[in-house]
Amino acid sequence: DSGVTQTPKHLITATGQRVTLRCSPRSGDLSVYWYQQSLDQGLQFLIQYYNGEERAKGNILERFSAQQFPDLHSELNLSSLELGDSALYFCASSVGQTDQPQHFGDGTRLSIL
Amino acid sequence: GESVGLHLPTLSVQEGDNSIINCAYSNSASDYFIWYKQESGKGPQFIIDIRSNMDKRQGQRVTVLLNKTVKHLSLQIAATQPGDSAVYFCAENAYGQNFVFGPGTRLSVLP
Repeated sequence: DSGVTQTPKHLITATGQRVTLRCSPRSGDLSVYWYQQSLDQGLQFLIQYYNGEERAKGNILERFSAQQFPDLHSELNLSSLELGDSALYFCASSVGQTDQPQHFGDGTRLSIL
Repeated sequence: GESVGLHLPTLSVQEGDNSIINCAYSNSASDYFIWYKQESGKGPQFIIDIRSNMDKRQGQRVTVLLNKTVKHLSLQIAATQPGDSAVYFCAENAYGQNFVFGPGTRLSVLP
């Protein structure tokens, strides 16, 4: 058990809709990272937060946004969903802001119909 | 569980044999590397890391080799077990940049 909790495990929705994915980092970890994993692709870095502040940005679409709350949990918001957004979305956490993403959750599987 | 990487390169090894998983990285400025294991339906799990000032690092049943000249990384698993069946990713990092993950290799352990 990595200590990182992601909810929901599965999400099925339609094109054009908006969803929110939730992540609770491992106790004591201040950094949260979000990754997208599509079939046949490796993990694509989306965004990192450290202690409530955006720390780094990757290939995150403008339709996507995230935030980290004072209790350090994070939410990833995906809007105007398209078929191509269907993927696994992983959250990872680490203690510091420059550490590697060490502890991964088990992901949220998003299916767009 | 979720099927990750349906068309990934696959390495099949006999139980008890040694496995070698290879990774070519792209950024010559990368100075820190990690191998992750991802089992079906699970998130990636940290296995072992190595910094660019080293050529080799050993863990429990695993060894990572780094060849900076040809930008190549390998993961060796000794006495491969059924529980080693998973997708393995390498990740590279250059100072001040984000980790970049490779596409992964599926390891299949045959009985």
